[in-house]
Parts: sequence; structure tokens; C-alpha cells
Amino acid sequence: GENVEQHPSTLSVQEGDSAVIKCTYSDSASNYFPWYKQELGKRPQLIIDIRSNVGEKKDQRIAVTLNKTAKHFSLHITETQPEDSAVYFCAARSYSGGGADGLTFGKGTHLIIQP
Amino acid sequence: NAGVTQTPKFQVLKTGQSMTLQCAQDMNHEYMSWYRQDPGMGLRLIHYSVGAGITDQGEVPNGYNVSRSTTEDFPLRLLSAAPSQTSVYFCASRPDTTNQPQHFGDGTRLSIL
Repeated sequence: GENVEQHPSTLSVQEGDSAVIKCTYSDSASNYFPWYKQELGKRPQLIIDIRSNVGEKKDQRIAVTLNKTAKHFSLHITETQPEDSAVYFCAARSYSGGGADGLTFGKGTHLIIQP
Repeated sequence: NAGVTQTPKFQVLKTGQSMTLQCAQDMNHEYMSWYRQDPGMGLRLIHYSVGAGITDQGEVPNGYNVSRSTTEDFPLRLLSAAPSQTSVYFCASRPDTTNQPQHFGDGTRLSIL
């Protein structure tokens, strides 16, 4: 089945700087890669996703890049703000495992924005 | 639309008790899933359903049962609660089309004493 590794587990950056979270996956058949943001005590919420037919996708201060050859994808947040503080999860979808959604999640990155 | 609704939001049980966590969605989604979230472990799939009358096991199914009698509802049953089942439980759903994002409920925080 799919295995998703996420790094780092904790990331502290100064407000206004950029943050990068990286994930690797094991199943070359995976074709969908969402990122979720989870604030303390809240549900995971989708912030951006990318499909395997594109290499990069951007939405305002958030961007995701995908390297299918190397089997890794990254989340980039520019001009970080205090409200970006949260736990971020990457996931990969492979129809060879992971149930109905085929989604396997990374263990999460706790992003801390220092004022 | 209310989206994905989970009840209760909080629950405390004693070891050996049974209970049902409710999940309902009003988006006519075919796919529904149950996850548990433990500190440092991310989200782990318990059970899932690809449509009414169809369910299957995920990564950590032991101690849990599910049923899907309607498209809208996907309850999760704890048969005999154990302290290891203390966790936050999330229900999720998504449409039956390729590579659509899934929507999560607000979660149920369950403590087993």
C-alpha cells in the first residue's frame, strides 16, 4: 500500500518569512495530492490540491509543487501570517490501497509563526 | 447544506460500554469514511463505504463496526470500549467522481476511562 512521509514534524518561522513542508510517497500510481490545514480543536480543511498531470499549482500565498519522478510534493506558504499557525497534513491518493478515498495521510507538521 | 454532521461532539465512556457515533451528510456523496486521529499519528482510516449497502475495512478496523443503510448516514459502533480507543473521530465524505476532495465533519472527542 501507499506510505506517506512528511517533514518536518514542527516548523517555526518568523512572521513574513516563507514556510516549506515536504512529503514523499511510495506508490507511483498515486495521482492526487491534497493538503489539509487543521487548527486546534477543529476539523481538517482542504487548502490546496494537485493532480498528477500538473507540476505546480498556486492559490494566493499558497503553492504546491509535485515531482512525480522523485515521488515528492511540497507545500509553500509565502509571507506567513499569525493565522497560518496550525497543523498541516499532506495526503496521497492511490487506488491500490487506503479505502474508498485511497487517501493515505502524513503524520502532520505543526507550523508556528513567530511574531 | 449542512455538510457532514457528527454527533455527539464529546463523549466519555467506561471500559466495556458500547456506543454509536453518528455521521450524516446532505451532499448526496457516495463515498464516506471514518478516521481516528491520535497525537503524532495523523489520520488513520477505520472503515469506509463506497455506497449504500457496501462497507469495507480500513487500516485500523478492530473494535469497530459500521453499516450504510442509506446514502446519508454512516454510523460507527464501538462494540466494547477500551482505553486504546480514546481518540478524536472524524467522518468524511466525497462525491463519486475522480479526484474530488473529501469533506470532514467537526469530529467526536471520545474518552474511555
